[in-house]
Amino acid sequence: SQQGEEDPQALSIQEGENATMNCSYKTSINNLQWYRQNSGRGLVHLILIRSNEREKHSGRLRVTLDTSKKSSSLLITASRAADTASYFCATAPLSGGYNKLIFGAGTRLAVHP
Amino acid sequence: KAGVTQTPRYLIKTRGQQVTLSCSPISGHRSVSWYQQTPGQGLQFLFEYFSETQRNKGNFPGRFSGRQFSNSRSEMNVSTLELGDSALYLCASSLEQINNEQFFGPGTRLTVL
Repeated sequence: SQQGEEDPQALSIQEGENATMNCSYKTSINNLQWYRQNSGRGLVHLILIRSNEREKHSGRLRVTLDTSKKSSSLLITASRAADTASYFCATAPLSGGYNKLIFGAGTRLAVHP
Repeated sequence: KAGVTQTPRYLIKTRGQQVTLSCSPISGHRSVSWYQQTPGQGLQFLFEYFSETQRNKGNFPGRFSGRQFSNSRSEMNVSTLELGDSALYLCASSLEQINNEQFFGPGTRLTVL
């Protein structure tokens, strides 16, 4: 079963707008990661934020983590049509995890030119 | 470096048959994880191998098995296929440290008729 929920399930925006996706999880984590998937292909790693970090940036991506609320958000600024994809958060459990990731259900993002 | 490769990319089988999927990790990566992705259940962790040993296993029946070879290449096997095994099977590799980012292959699309 999945770790938690992602919100919204689908998001449709215009090029140049910002896109915000939220993720909630259930158990204590070592880190939280965000991945992108284009149309049924493999996943691409976007960013990793550790449990002792609150915010992280990578290019047009900004990720926040609130461990007290067990939630994270991914912000994509100045969206482009090429950002159209599904976005997944994945948590690395604090115990018994090794390289096991628990994925959320994902947010389908559509960016219109 | 070459990315994670998976073979075959597409596979059609009938109920009751068995199937073997192959994954070659990025050179130097010793951890290989397998995930199943379906529209209904999303992305679910199957198992993880490191140095030819299974370190972690998800909640799948014993029909799902895997192994890792000394060169870190991995195979997963599904016996007595069921219709519900139709899915995208994704392999991911990572460095030996735990809870690292994972690099995913393009996946094998299995259809069970």
